[in-house]
Amino acid sequence: DIQMTQSPSSVSASVGDTVTITCRASQGISSWLAWYQQKPGKAPKLLISAASSLQSGVPSRFSGSGSGTHFNLTIRSMQSEDFATYHCLQSIVFPPSFGGGTKVEVK
Amino acid sequence: QVQLQESGPGLVKPSETLSLTCTVSGGSVSSGSYHWSWIRQPPGKGLEWIGYIYDSGSTNYNPSLKSRVTMSLDTSKNQFSLKLTSVIAADTAVYYCATYNFRGNDAFDIWGQGTMVTVSS
Repeated sequence: DIQMTQSPSSVSASVGDTVTITCRASQGISSWLAWYQQKPGKAPKLLISAASSLQSGVPSRFSGSGSGTHFNLTIRSMQSEDFATYHCLQSIVFPPSFGGGTKVEVK
Repeated sequence: QVQLQESGPGLVKPSETLSLTCTVSGGSVSSGSYHWSWIRQPPGKGLEWIGYIYDSGSTNYNPSLKSRVTMSLDTSKNQFSLKLTSVIAADTAVYYCATYNFRGNDAFDIWGQGTMVTVSS
């Protein structure tokens, strides 16, 4: 199985800050990585697929990069609605697996 | 636009069987457009993929749960279901049904709202 390791597990930020979250895969997954945003009591929402492809309706302050084993999610100019938990997902190798999540909190 | 809604008991006794149903609207479970999926999230923890069921009715399960999981399709009701046997406290989680979009973004792109299942006597 592929292990997905996210760092940090939590980060404090202020409105207007830039936040970068990292996801590392235990083996190469090309660009088969997705990022999700999850707010308390809600289902995850798909933000980015194929490492860098922004889903329709997702603000352009979100961006994804990386390939192989190292991936980043960057949120530029954080807005109040962006405080949430973010998860990465690999789906190229069976079974699909998620990272442990990164909670972005208000500083 | 496909929408998903989970339903089932919120409390299950240890050693019994957890049974959940996902009702699909805005699309057909027979369409072949998605892999129909179950994913769970224990309180305060990360997400765990449980398995897929395909429009053909064939399945693929997470090896960590395979011995206890059964998924099925009911095309007449446009639903798919999850059964997890011999549950223990560690099976307490929010259970989500979701679509895996293998024709598009290769991700779980539509989710139900989730249903909390507690395993307790």
